[in-house]
Amino acid sequence: EAGVAQSPRYKIIEKRQSVAFWCNPISGHATLYWYQQILGQGPKLLIQFQNNGVVDDSQLPKDRFSAERLKGVDSTLKIQPAKLEDSAVYLCASSISGGATDTQYFGPGTRLTVL
Amino acid sequence: ILNVEQSPQSLHVQEGDSTNFTCSFPSSNFYALHWYRWETAKSPEALFVMTLNGDEKKKGRISATLNTKEGYSYLYIKGSQPEDSATYLCAKGPSTGFQKLVFGTGTRLLVSP
Repeated sequence: EAGVAQSPRYKIIEKRQSVAFWCNPISGHATLYWYQQILGQGPKLLIQFQNNGVVDDSQLPKDRFSAERLKGVDSTLKIQPAKLEDSAVYLCASSISGGATDTQYFGPGTRLTVL
Repeated sequence: ILNVEQSPQSLHVQEGDSTNFTCSFPSSNFYALHWYRWETAKSPEALFVMTLNGDEKKKGRISATLNTKEGYSYLYIKGSQPEDSATYLCAKGPSTGFQKLVFGTGTRLLVSP
């Protein structure tokens, strides 16, 4: 079974530039998550999709971050414009149905550096 | 405790040593606790999902216990090996609605040969 795929693995940009990350979850998984992990902190949920609908985006900085999950499969997360404090690892995860005891399967993450 | 907290922040042991870490969480509205292992440059990997007070789970040399009344979980590694070097994360799940995990900051383990 293929795991969660993410690209790119690394990205370096200057502040005020835009960047986009892509995620392909495990086939058949209804729930997709985007996390931000800043150095020294635990992963923080940015947005959660159930199929192609958003169920939680309470911690997504909506003035600069956006995300979509077209057709309930792949997802993209965009930052526009980027700030220095956006430097982090962006993790995508998926689970079968989003239940409290479901295992979340993570991709390898995208390490973003904003200069 | 308002957040999920993990201790120690980091740990350096010798090969063959046994070790343990602590995850503390708010005991109210508990439903599930997840443990993950995250090796450098790899994807975080699920270790355990625990729901019942007194639960104990085991996977090879790694085991975990859960106390939901006092709000803590222990992760034990018996006879640490260099390949156990990783960051170990715990996360608490909500009691209602869709899963929304709140992660601790992790314990970074380094096992020297």
